[in-house]
Amino acid sequence: GEDVEQSLFLSVREGDSSVINCTYTDSSSTYLYWYKQEPGAGLQLLTYIFSNMDMKQDQRLTVLLNKKDKHLSLRIADTQTGDSAIYFCADRSGGSYIPTFGRGTSLIVHP
Amino acid sequence: NAGVTQTPKFRVLKTGQSMTLLCAQDMNHEYMYWYRQDPGMGLRLIHYSVGEGTTAKGEVPDGYNVSRLKKQNFLLGLESAAPSQTSVYFCASIPGLGFGTDTQYFGPGTRLTVL
Repeated sequence: GEDVEQSLFLSVREGDSSVINCTYTDSSSTYLYWYKQEPGAGLQLLTYIFSNMDMKQDQRLTVLLNKKDKHLSLRIADTQTGDSAIYFCADRSGGSYIPTFGRGTSLIVHP
Repeated sequence: NAGVTQTPKFRVLKTGQSMTLLCAQDMNHEYMYWYRQDPGMGLRLIHYSVGEGTTAKGEVPDGYNVSRLKKQNFLLGLESAAPSQTSVYFCASIPGLGFGTDTQYFGPGTRLTVL
């Protein structure tokens, strides 16, 4: 089946930029999402990008999409301790109602 | 709107006991999902529903049953709990295809321990 891959851990210093990477295999992916999960909570949508876009910026968040390489990244500028969480990448094709999730990347922000 | 709610938040069962997890959404969403989350495994889809009265199997359906008698509720049942079902269970919903990005709204989770 289709797959979404992410590295499991990322550690950064407070104030630095964080870059979380994701690769996917479904060439028909139409929507690509980033979700954030804080400890003890459910997933919350952070941002999303359509497959016909290369980049999307939303305050401290920048999403880059390389459709040719099927690579998605999430950059968090000026990372804060409150950004410590698990970040999930997910994709979905336009005709499907079942997204495919990666295993999540644990972002640890230390002083 | 309360969004997606889950009941209970925590539960401890003994092997062989049964229980039902309730998911409720007040957003009139068509599609609802049950996932389990285990360390290092990400989210795995158990069952889903594309409308009232319909259910379908996901990636890991064995040992679970579901029902969607009312549009706003999606129930997940464990008939005979096993330690392998110790997990955090999440419910999610989306409005339906064709409604913009159809991002999933998640509940807060139910932490289940089977002894």
